[in-house]
Amino acid sequence: DAGVIQSPRHEVTEMGQEVTLRCKPISGHNSLFWYRQTMMRGLELLIYFNNNVPIDDSGMPEDRFSAKMPNASFSTLKIQPSEPRDSAVYFCASSFDGGGYTFGSGTRLTVV
Amino acid sequence: GQQVMQIPQYQHVQEGEDFTTYCNSSTTLSNIQWYKQRPGGHPVFLIQLVKSGEVKKQKRLTFQFGEAKKNSSLHITATQTTDVGTYFCAEDSGSARQLTFGSGTQLTVLP
Repeated sequence: DAGVIQSPRHEVTEMGQEVTLRCKPISGHNSLFWYRQTMMRGLELLIYFNNNVPIDDSGMPEDRFSAKMPNASFSTLKIQPSEPRDSAVYFCASSFDGGGYTFGSGTRLTVV
Repeated sequence: GQQVMQIPQYQHVQEGEDFTTYCNSSTTLSNIQWYKQRPGGHPVFLIQLVKSGEVKKQKRLTFQFGEAKKNSSLHITATQTTDVGTYFCAEDSGSARQLTFGSGTQLTVLP
């Protein structure tokens, strides 16, 4: 298994632009998570899907952030419009029935 | 949600010395997980503890879950430079099945 696959690995964009981050979870995992990591705030849970259904999006900072999971093998996190304070490493993780999480390699987002 | 406090925030040790990081919660945890993140890398799952008083070992790493299930520790015996990284505990709020991560302990091992 290739693990959790995220793309792109790095993204540099100008303020106001739309950013889309992508994630392919491990086949068979039924939960998918989007986390954001910064030095100041550590690892923050943004949103959590179970069986492709969003369960808890209380961590999504504001309406500029949205996430979808159209099927069991794909999820996106979109930021529109992006702002410099959105700069962070965004991780996608998947798990099966409350077991350990497998994280992707992350997307390092820089908004200038 | 619940929060786990993790200490220390930073730890520098000489290679060969032992290292311990602690997680504490004000409420009872259903289970706790531990992760390691190498510099520039992503968190990697190490172990999950579920039972009160549970102790698990992985080579030089020893994980403990407190009797009251309110604290946990990770102990590394005779650290090596390969142990460098940030160690996170993460608590599972149970019904929600989502993890809340502690702030992490950043370990530096001096050769």
